[in-house]
Amino acid sequence: DAGVTQSPTHLIKTRGQQVTLRCSPKSGHDTVSWYQQALGQGPQFIFQYYEEEERQRGNFPDRFSGHQFPNYSSELNVNALLLGDSALYLCASAQGRAQYFGPGTRLLVL
Amino acid sequence: GQQLNQSPQSMFIQEGEDVSMNCTSSSIFNTWLWYKQDPGEGPVLLIALYKAGELTSNGRLTAQFGITRKDSFLNISASIPSDVGIYFCAGRTSGTYKYIFGTGTRLKVLA
Repeated sequence: DAGVTQSPTHLIKTRGQQVTLRCSPKSGHDTVSWYQQALGQGPQFIFQYYEEEERQRGNFPDRFSGHQFPNYSSELNVNALLLGDSALYLCASAQGRAQYFGPGTRLLVL
Repeated sequence: GQQLNQSPQSMFIQEGEDVSMNCTSSSIFNTWLWYKQDPGEGPVLLIALYKAGELTSNGRLTAQFGITRKDSFLNISASIPSDVGIYFCAGRTSGTYKYIFGTGTRLKVLA
């Protein structure tokens, strides 16, 4: 049984560019959440998708947007990248309250 | 961003020793999750707790949901070198879907 998968594993962008990160949830999971983890910190909640709708959002600007597809996979889009957006972006899927993380995408903004 | 208080921040222990760490919140939670994260990887779920007073084990790991619902504890018995890593707690309040994470406990095991 495959766990949560994310792509790409690493990405380098320059300020002002746009980026799209992808996530496939664990089999049987219908809920996907995205988190940003800065170096040395715990993950920070960006938003959660359920039934193809954004169900809850954390304290992130509108430059961060997402989408969930009918097969429950999800994308995170970040526009107008800033240096401070450099971080590990984690996707977590859930069926119920326990959530399972993928390996993350390391984004570096230069 | 908002983070839970987790202590200790870091600890060095000898192989074979027991380890205790805890997490506290100013809010009442209905779920506590404990994760371990290795460098450059995603957090791995260790234990999930769903009600006050609940005590759950996973091998050498035992976690408890505090009776005040504002804290949780994780114990590791007979530590081994592969226990090295960062341990995070995460909690969620009723009526919300987002998890708030702790600041992390960095564990280093001396063989």
